Amino acid sequence: EVQLVESGGGLVQPGGSLRLSCAASGFTFSSYAMHWVRQAPGKGLEYVSAISSNGGSTYYANSVKGRFTISRDNSKNTLYLQMGSLRAEDMAVYYCARGDYILTGYYDYWGQGTLVTVSS
Amino acid sequence: QSVLTQPPSASGTPGQRVTISCSGSSSNIGSNYVYWYQQLPGTAPKLLIYRNNQRPSGVPDRFSGSKSGTSASLAISGLRSEDEADYYCAAWDDSLRVFGGGTKLTVL
Repeated sequence: EVQLVESGGGLVQPGGSLRLSCAASGFTFSSYAMHWVRQAPGKGLEYVSAISSNGGSTYYANSVKGRFTISRDNSKNTLYLQMGSLRAEDMAVYYCARGDYILTGYYDYWGQGTLVTVSS
Repeated sequence: QSVLTQPPSASGTPGQRVTISCSGSSSNIGSNYVYWYQQLPGTAPKLLIYRNNQRPSGVPDRFSGSKSGTSASLAISGLRSEDEADYYCAAWDDSLRVFGGGTKLTVL
């Protein structure tokens, strides 16, 4: 059974940093591109970032470019999102999702999400 | 700001057929596949339709998708109370604004 489990969310002050993790199981992690999607409270889905299966290619939404870094450790079946210079508008539930490619709107499995709260 | 435009709300009564539209442009829907996601309250999104009109295993055939030019639509026939959810269209766009704004479907 495919499972994606996010962790690392919590309360952080504006300007602070946080690292999210997404532990994958039930599939060959190293064969799939992975994605982060977020959802602010009461709002819609927003695409955040993507990484290719071997980690060689990454993409970022303009809203997080230069502040967030996506990475993966295929030996640990884990996806990461390092978030820095956090702003109030970054407060959201962050989902990791499996994609068929890196440049895609296809996400067939999603984690349960982890909440990031940015507040002083 | 989403580059894919959806109506913010839709509604129907049990048994009815409802459609949700998704309007884009040549840089997203016009040149890429369209996907639809269902998000039940308090849960993660779930893939409902992929590659314009394909259903993943386990998705009832009451759900169908179509695409024409730079627009797409999701149709739900035989509406049921458990279909009350938020629905999002998605299509790759080089701006990385992948998702529509979402449509809240209410079953009256």
